[in-house]
Amino acid sequence: GDSVTQMEGPVTLSEEAFLTINCTYTATGYPSLFWYVQYPGEGLQLLLKATKADDKGSNKGFEATYRKETTSFHLEKGSVQVSDSAVYFCALSHYNQGGKLIFGQGTELSVKP
Amino acid sequence: EPEVTQTPSHQVTQMGQEVILRCVPISNHLYFYWYRQILGQKVEFLVSFYNNEISEKSEIFDDQFSVERPDGSNFTLKIRSTKLEDSAMYFCASTREYGYTFGSGTRLTVV
Repeated sequence: GDSVTQMEGPVTLSEEAFLTINCTYTATGYPSLFWYVQYPGEGLQLLLKATKADDKGSNKGFEATYRKETTSFHLEKGSVQVSDSAVYFCALSHYNQGGKLIFGQGTELSVKP
Repeated sequence: EPEVTQTPSHQVTQMGQEVILRCVPISNHLYFYWYRQILGQKVEFLVSFYNNEISEKSEIFDDQFSVERPDGSNFTLKIRSTKLEDSAMYFCASTREYGYTFGSGTRLTVV
């Protein structure tokens, strides 16, 4: 079945460092890809999404490009802030069929001042 | 911006008791979901609901679980006889086209 694999955490960075969180997927057809963020004690917030190959999702300085050839959707940010500390989840779905989201295991990011 | 609302935010129950977790999805959304997240672990799909019936369910969603949309606005998850391992954060979500909107979750603690 479909699955999502993320790099293991925790990831610890200094403020203003460059962030990459790797995400690869296995899926039939052409799924949509998502990044969700979970701040401590809170729910899941959609960070960005891409619905077809070569699409780039972006939000709040974060970017991810849907790479079908490498089945990847890596999350990047050029300069992280302490407020970016959270758990980041990569996910896929066949949303146009009302499909469920399938999540990766999550990557915890800790940004130090 | 429209929100998915979940109540209660935290529920403590004794093992073997029934619990009902409540959700109000976004009003014009068509698909509804329940997910759970055991502390520190990944978010797992439980069930999806469309057109007043279950469209998909996971292996976790056994006979102890049920869902209802009783009045066109609420969407409930019932656990008939809770077990210790049901302790988790339960998230409701809804979608119409692009993206899924999640509620802030109900933390269920079974003691």
